[in-house]
Amino acid sequence: DADVTQTPRNRITKTGKRIMLECSQTKGHDRMYWYRQDPGLGLRLIYYSFDVKDINKGEISDGYSVSRQAQAKFSLSLESAIPNQTALYFCATSDRDGANYGYTFGSGTRLTVV
Amino acid sequence: KNEVEQSPQNLTAQEGEFITINCSYSVGISALHWLQQHPGGGIVSLFMLSSGKKKHGRLIATINIQEKHSSLHITASHPRDSAVYICAPRAGNTPLVFGKGTRLSVIA
Repeated sequence: DADVTQTPRNRITKTGKRIMLECSQTKGHDRMYWYRQDPGLGLRLIYYSFDVKDINKGEISDGYSVSRQAQAKFSLSLESAIPNQTALYFCATSDRDGANYGYTFGSGTRLTVV
Repeated sequence: KNEVEQSPQNLTAQEGEFITINCSYSVGISALHWLQQHPGGGIVSLFMLSSGKKKHGRLIATINIQEKHSSLHITASHPRDSAVYICAPRAGNTPLVFGKGTRLSVIA
């Protein structure tokens, strides 16, 4: 099994629908992140969480919400999907060791909003 | 906000060539990551460095904290090195900020 698992891998949804992307990890990392990737723009941070009780907005949080259900689970919701939320979404984890902030990425979720 | 610039944006090389990808950033950082994104989309971490140089196989990463600049070198490039290479500096305890990436194609 992958260290960081994202579900679903691909999803097509209609404008206005609520959708949840899920992420689970077996790395034992405290820190989890949601990024989106658009062509030509690189990865942009949506939300991040440094532990179960900690949730922080990133650069582009509008239209999204998150839930950290456990150390190993971090889900991203689109409350009312719109076409410009069509993108590739990545979940990532990292440890908090100051000498070794290794990042591990999930395989990505390709979301299309029509 | 840390502005990250990578150059070149696209690079085509012949197999065996020595390749350099550059990354500059605007604010002081504590470390910088280099990552590789495969054509299928998966992202893997290559290096995390805060000073000097690191080497892994044919890949070498260097950083000059004072100059706010890092380079990724690939020696004896191979078609399997074709990917997008992304630099991502980190300031203190904050999440990574990603460059837009350099798309490398190595032709046999």
